[in-house]
Amino acid sequence: IVLTQSPGTLSLSPGERATLSCRASQSIRASYLAWYQQKPGQSPRLVIYGASARATDIPDRFSGGGSGTDFTLTISRLEPEDFAVYYCQHYGASWSTFGQGTKLEIK
Amino acid sequence: QVQLVQSGAEVKKPGASVKVSCKASGYTFIDNYIHWVRQAPGQGLEWMGWINANSGVSKYAQSFQGRVTMTRDTIISTAYLELSRLRSDDTAVYFCARDDPEIAAALSDWGQGTLVTVSP
Repeated sequence: IVLTQSPGTLSLSPGERATLSCRASQSIRASYLAWYQQKPGQSPRLVIYGASARATDIPDRFSGGGSGTDFTLTISRLEPEDFAVYYCQHYGASWSTFGQGTKLEIK
Repeated sequence: QVQLVQSGAEVKKPGASVKVSCKASGYTFIDNYIHWVRQAPGQGLEWMGWINANSGVSKYAQSFQGRVTMTRDTIISTAYLELSRLRSDDTAVYFCARDDPEIAAALSDWGQGTLVTVSP
């Protein structure tokens, strides 16, 4: 299964709404779809698991959704600390794969 | 709190092997799987495989089959990644991460990363 994220780069201003897409090459279980945030020089941080559940300490401006082959991560009102690279990930019984990432940059 | 502390940076020559460690604390080590993920300079995340910290059973991504070995020592709560026959394109930061079955096995905690540089 290949995960394709779009857009590659998203340029927005603080306060705007961001919508990131993750498309799977075949239908996947939403239960095993996660999103991670990575800032330069840092380890990835879990943001969303099970396609729509927020991880610990993740603010409620982050939301996830989708099913089948199309999933989205939405940030309702961008804060300066939200600008980073975001990766989607799917995990099966004995394998896992990441999307190539979406860079969310300040416009 | 959960911590995964990795070993320090390594510089290796092509054809050599490298072994990276990941020491866990703050939870029961054998209750989770440890995954390894790498990131080449300026690139995205690449999943390498996992090890069941309880049984020691491991699964590897196809692209690393035959070159990677994941092991663990339950006495000292440490997981290891060994990569052999290193090439220049193995230069990357290697991360360990814990999956949490209570949150659908997503990778809830990550190590700080270990830079492995492969250079003649």
